[in-house]
Amino acid sequence: QVQLQESGPGLVKPSQTLSLTCTVSGGSISSSNNCWSWIRQPAGKGLEWIGRIDTSGTTNYNPSLKSRVTISVDTSKNQFSLILSSVTAADTAVYYCARGPRYSGSYGLFDYWGQGTLVTVSS
Amino acid sequence: QSALTQPASVSGSPGQSITISCTGSSSDIGGYKYVSWYQQHPGKAPKVMIYDVSNRPSGVSNRFSGSKSGNTASLTISGLQAEDEADYYCSSYTSTSSLVVFGGGTKLTVL
Repeated sequence: QVQLQESGPGLVKPSQTLSLTCTVSGGSISSSNNCWSWIRQPAGKGLEWIGRIDTSGTTNYNPSLKSRVTISVDTSKNQFSLILSSVTAADTAVYYCARGPRYSGSYGLFDYWGQGTLVTVSS
Repeated sequence: QSALTQPASVSGSPGQSITISCTGSSSDIGGYKYVSWYQQHPGKAPKVMIYDVSNRPSGVSNRFSGSKSGNTASLTISGLQAEDEADYYCSSYTSTSSLVVFGGGTKLTVL
């Protein structure tokens, strides 16, 4: 059974950089059949896709966040990471990591999710 | 404002059927068969219930079904149970640079 677990600081100051890691267990992050995404959800609001990476290193980002986002993968640790720069209060949300299949059009499909981690942007 | 439009809330009594709609455009729902539906209970991560418009992942009850007509996708839950009370989100691939669009979510109340 594949499991994903987010980790990282729960509090980030405005203008600083948010950094989260997702550790994958029960399966290899190197599988060419999968992509690895970050999704966030502000309190009481809907889901927002941040971006994804596949094991060839190809990334796709939400255009609204693209200038501030970097997603990377570390196959040796079976982890992938999110970096979001220049954060503001609007970036306060629960951040989820998720796995999705890798086929044409599969961008919106996520079959395994982490439990989510709350990141608050505040001074 | 979300790219896909869902009703804010729907309700039904145990045993009844309900349908949640998700309306997009020809760039997403209308143009492709890549619609997914997620169930989210309070404080929990979303769970995929339907993918590729009408496919159910292994382990998901056959009381959940999906369909699409034009630019609108629908999730139908038959034989409503108390445990179905949750928020439901649709998602779709989009040919725009966004690649993924979500609906704003629908709160299902089981009366």
